[in-house]
This record gives sequence, structure tokens and C-alpha cells, in this order.
Amino acid sequence: SQTIHQWPATLVQPVGSPLSLECTVEGTSNPNLYWYRQAAGRGLQLLFYSVGIGQISSEVPQNLSASRPQDRQFILSSKKLLLSDSGFYLCAWSFPGNSPLHFGNGTRLTVT
Amino acid sequence: GDSVTQMEGPVTLSEEAFLTINCTYTATGYPSLFWYVQYPGEGLQLLLKATKADDKGSNKGFEATYRKETTSFHLEKGSVQVSDSAVYFCALSEKTSYDKVIFGPGTSLSVIP
Repeated sequence: SQTIHQWPATLVQPVGSPLSLECTVEGTSNPNLYWYRQAAGRGLQLLFYSVGIGQISSEVPQNLSASRPQDRQFILSSKKLLLSDSGFYLCAWSFPGNSPLHFGNGTRLTVT
Repeated sequence: GDSVTQMEGPVTLSEEAFLTINCTYTATGYPSLFWYVQYPGEGLQLLLKATKADDKGSNKGFEATYRKETTSFHLEKGSVQVSDSAVYFCALSEKTSYDKVIFGPGTSLSVIP
């Protein structure tokens, strides 16, 4: 069976510091990978998605970036965090072809 | 572009009441439709799905029917329980040159004994 791991679970970072959130999937190959952000009291905002190694599509202009250095590894990064980057970040994977998303447990990021 | 609209929450119901959460969508093609549920402090889980017009998805007593003519996918349950308290998200996935999933804003449901 497939599993998704996302870490860390919580993170407190000062403004201007870098960020690296990691997500890995086990038990499948060539999954679609996604990063979403859920701000407090709001819905899900799609940040990045990837259909293959090195293929990243960005949905929203921002100071965040994503990379997929390996087939089942998806990394969310920032060089300098802003207060507005605070939120709940969710990684997800799916099989290609309109299949459901499978979410990790999320990372709660607080930028102070 | 594609979008999903849900009824505004929060919704508060008594146990055993009937639940309806409205969802409508805008899409250029023929999307698959989903309902996800997020329990407090957790990630999202798939609740049910429908892949074509007139399909009915069902799970755990919840149902939703894909209505192409009204571009809707309303979530219903005949008798809610306290354990159904969660945030519910309607979503669509459209097959184009890439897979892309768009979520609605979510509807918070609280069920009181």
C-alpha cells in the first residue's frame, strides 16, 4: 500500500529565515504531487503541482518555490519567510488521471 | 478558470438532523467531483467521488449526485452524528494536459448532542 510522509509536523520560524518542508511517498511510482496551503479559517489554496521529476507548475506568485529532485520526493522552500507565509501546509499525491488525492498530516508553520 | 463554490458555514445541527451542503462548480470540460473531510487537527480524507454525470458517490451514510445540468454536487446525509463534526470540502479534478485539483473554501459542520 501507499503511504505519504510529511515533516516536520510543526515549525516556528522568524521572519526572513529560510524554509524547507519535505514530503515523500512510498509504495507507488510517478505519482502526481501537490503542495497546498490552508490559512486559518480558510479553504485550500493550491501552491504547486508536479507530474514528474523536475516538472513543477506554480499556481500563485509568491516567495515560495518547490522542487522534485526524485520521483517520490517533493520539497517546499523559501529563501526568506514572510509573516503571511504562516499557515497549514499539506502535501498530497495522486495517481495520474483524475484520481483522488491522498494527503499527508500537514505542517503547521508559524512565522514570528 | 475552473472553480468550486460551497455554501458558507459554519453549519450547526442537532444529532439525527438532515444535512445538506451545497456545492456548484465551473469547469471547461468534464471533471471528476469529490468530497473530502477534515477532522479537527488532521489532514484531508476522501469521503466520496463521482466521475461522470448522474453518478452517485456514497460513503459512511453520505451521498452526492453529479448533476451536469445544474453543475452541482450537493452533499447529503439523512441523520448526522456528533462524530460527523468536521470541515467538508468539495473539489473537482479536470483531465487536461495535466492533472489539477481545485477545492472549494470548505464548510464547517458542528453536530451537537
